[in-house]
This record gives sequence, structure tokens and C-alpha cells, in this order.
Amino acid sequence: GAVVSQHPSWVICKSGTSVKIECRSLDFQATTMFWYRQFPKQSLMLMATSNEGSKATYEQGVEKDKFLINHASLTLSTLTVTSAHPEDSSFYICSAVGRSSYNEQFFGPGTRLTVL
Amino acid sequence: RKEVEQDPGPFNVPEGATVAFNCTYSNSASQSFFWYRQDCRKEPKLLMSVYSSGNEDGRFTAQLNRASQYISLLIRDSKLSDSATYLCVVTPGDSSYKLIFGSGTRLLVRP
Repeated sequence: GAVVSQHPSWVICKSGTSVKIECRSLDFQATTMFWYRQFPKQSLMLMATSNEGSKATYEQGVEKDKFLINHASLTLSTLTVTSAHPEDSSFYICSAVGRSSYNEQFFGPGTRLTVL
Repeated sequence: RKEVEQDPGPFNVPEGATVAFNCTYSNSASQSFFWYRQDCRKEPKLLMSVYSSGNEDGRFTAQLNRASQYISLLIRDSKLSDSATYLCVVTPGDSSYKLIFGSGTRLLVRP
């Protein structure tokens, strides 16, 4: 149980394009989902927290107009990187917390984004 | 100062060795503490929670010292499969959901 999937697992795009990453909780309802970013040899940095049906809460320094988060259902959250640039190339990981998971976050496998 | 600090390593040890990792955190109000394991290009996976009383799970022992704001992980009888990056993680005092990750300590276990 408690499986989280992400799609795509990797994506290469041209500078200036937008990329959408999906995060799904497959066997539980996720009351809260988190989006992280990890640059090589660095720690996971929380970008934003999203609750189903409400606007995401962004961490300091994360541009909400650039990283659009939608959490339309209890099993799906999406992160759209708008007008991507090479410096946005990173490993994006989502996690989800369910009602009965005692706040344990279950992580998706991550999406590796490369912007050319 | 980083909220969670770890020695990046790498720690290069032979199979069967005992190895210890340390971590310090800056927020004295931090409530929960964990060790995660992350393999290259993969998501982090929960290894164990850390309690003040200390806890053990097989070859792994974790310890928390709240007074010193210090967390440790001890791995006994290292296996090749233990090679990974070990992440020290805390939750801030204002939210039980958020996780603050250290940058990790890399462990290489050689034959």
C-alpha cells in the first residue's frame, strides 16, 4: 500500500517551453501533497505544499507563477514548470500524506527534468 | 547556518565494518526526526524514525540527543547493499508535515 507514482519519469525540453509533471497516489487518498526539488549533490528542498481543493503554499524564494501547482483531486497533483530555462533542470519529487498515514510522507519516484 | 547539517562523506568502508553518521539540527523546537536512505537518482525512502530513547532495527541503531540537537545512525556489519546516501530529516516545530532534509552522507561499502 501507499504507492505514489510520478509521470513522466524523465523529460527533456527546449528552453521556453512548459512542462507538466503529474503526481498520483495510487491506493490512498492524499490530503496533502508536497513538491520538492533536488539539484545534484544537494538536499531535497521543499518547493510547495498543496491541499486538495485549495491553493498551494509556496516556500520562500519559489516563484508561484513559474511553478504552477494544481491539486484538483485527492489522488492527483500536478506541477507545471512554465517557460522552463536550463537552471530549472533538476530532479523533481512529490510526496503525499494520507488521512491514516500518521503524517508519514510517501514519495514518488521523481521526475528528472533537463532543459536544453 | 543550514537547518540540518551532515558530513557529506563519502565514507568508504569494507564489508562487515561498523560505520556511524552524525547530524546536527538548528531548530530546538524540531519535533520529529528520521533517517532516510536515497539511492542514486531515486526517491528517498524512510529507513527509521529516531527517538530520544534510541531505537534499533536490525543492524541499524539511531539515537537522538535533544540537548545537543544531535542525531546519529550506526550501521553494524555493513553490506554492499548499504551503499547509498543517508539523509537526516527533521520536522520543524511549527508543522508536523514539513520535512527538512540534510544534504546527506554518502556511504560506499566495498567488497
